[in-house]
Amino acid sequence: DTEVTQTPKHLVMGMTNKKSLKCEQHMGHRAMYWYKQKAKKPPELMFVYSYEKLSINESVPSRFSPECPNSSLLNLHLHALQPEDSALYLCASSQDPGQGATEAFFGQGTRLTVV
Amino acid sequence: DAKTTQPPSMDCAEGRAANLPCNHSTISGNEYVYWYRQIHSQGPQYIIHGLKNNETNEMASLIITEDRKSSTLILPHATLRDTAVYYCIVRLFKAAGNKLTFGGGTRVLVKP
Repeated sequence: DTEVTQTPKHLVMGMTNKKSLKCEQHMGHRAMYWYKQKAKKPPELMFVYSYEKLSINESVPSRFSPECPNSSLLNLHLHALQPEDSALYLCASSQDPGQGATEAFFGQGTRLTVV
Repeated sequence: DAKTTQPPSMDCAEGRAANLPCNHSTISGNEYVYWYRQIHSQGPQYIIHGLKNNETNEMASLIITEDRKSSTLILPHATLRDTAVYYCIVRLFKAAGNKLTFGGGTRVLVKP
């Protein structure tokens, strides 16, 4: 199984809503990532988890709150978002970062629209 | 991680080889060169990576110059399904906090 599964595929939320994006992998990967991608732009790194601990936060606003409850799951909790936060949110995972060069596997993303 | 420079777009003919250049002149000795592609509305897909030797897999070949300041991704027989944005990424591996940072990429259009 080389899949990273993201749910939901599409999400429409109001600016006062609270919602969560979910990401799951069963490849035994110990690094997991959240990216944000606007139309016609490259993916931008938001967070990196390594061994279930947050290791990188790329100065993301606090209305985005990541959580890694176990080694297979990664959540992104959303609260009080703005319309400009509408984007494709991508999750990725890769093997133990300390083991050397390895590839990252990406999910298909959640298309988020904030109204 | 070192920065990369790629042409913003290129066309290639179906059935012909597609050669995608990438400049990474500030690469350090322990940084790897990675290539990913992103087909419209899908997540990025890993293609290949290398350190200093040329690499080949079922998808593509990666040619890295001897000074490691540039590389070329070769798709040997481009098909219409290879139309995508191709990203060249330079990546350093360490025990924690690994970044995978995307640059602008090359938008490749394969034409019949």
